[in-house]
Amino acid sequence: RKEVEQDPGPFNVPEGATVAFNCTYSNSASQSFFWYRQDCRKEPKLLMSVYSSGNEDGRFTAQLNRASQYISLLIRDSKLSDSATYLCVVNRIGNQFYFGTGTSLTVIP
Amino acid sequence: DAGITQSPRHKVTETGTPVTLRCHQTENHRYMYWYRQDPGHGLRLIHYSYGVKDTDKGEVSDGYSVSRSKTEDFLLTLESATSSQTSVYFCAINYGQGRSYEQYFGPGTRLTVT
Repeated sequence: RKEVEQDPGPFNVPEGATVAFNCTYSNSASQSFFWYRQDCRKEPKLLMSVYSSGNEDGRFTAQLNRASQYISLLIRDSKLSDSATYLCVVNRIGNQFYFGTGTSLTVIP
Repeated sequence: DAGITQSPRHKVTETGTPVTLRCHQTENHRYMYWYRQDPGHGLRLIHYSYGVKDTDKGEVSDGYSVSRSKTEDFLLTLESATSSQTSVYFCAINYGQGRSYEQYFGPGTRLTVT
């Protein structure tokens, strides 16, 4: 079983829509959780860390459910510039990170 | 900007030739990583380093070796390149302290093995 699983999409949504991505992780010992954004032919960039209490950064909201081993990312009021692949990432103690295969988002004018 | 550079950025090489990719960081980070990214597989760890001369294998280490003789440089070598090693290679560092780390990536190297 993969450490991290994501729906690859693609998600094609109109501008202004709300879209949600989900991710599950297999190892209950996972300690830290992140969403990264990757643009075409570029490196992944940290979008936000995910905390147990949930956290929000502008139009982006991330939530963690440890009991279900589930992470989510909600994007409100989608912009054309949000088009990218979103990677779910988990970390266990020991400095190793595990990456999902990514969910592709295209925001349509 | 985590101060990570990779070289070369693009390389085309022939099967059977040795190839070395370089990752350079300017901020004295202890941990450095090499990943490859392929469609359908996401990022997979090749090798990582936790200090000068301290390295360990990752998930897909076969056919690759690494060296870290200085804190700032982490080299990835394909001893005899194969077509299955055509990929995008990313270097990364860990940033943080205690139990909380984040990873930051270099711009990547696109390697094509013909």
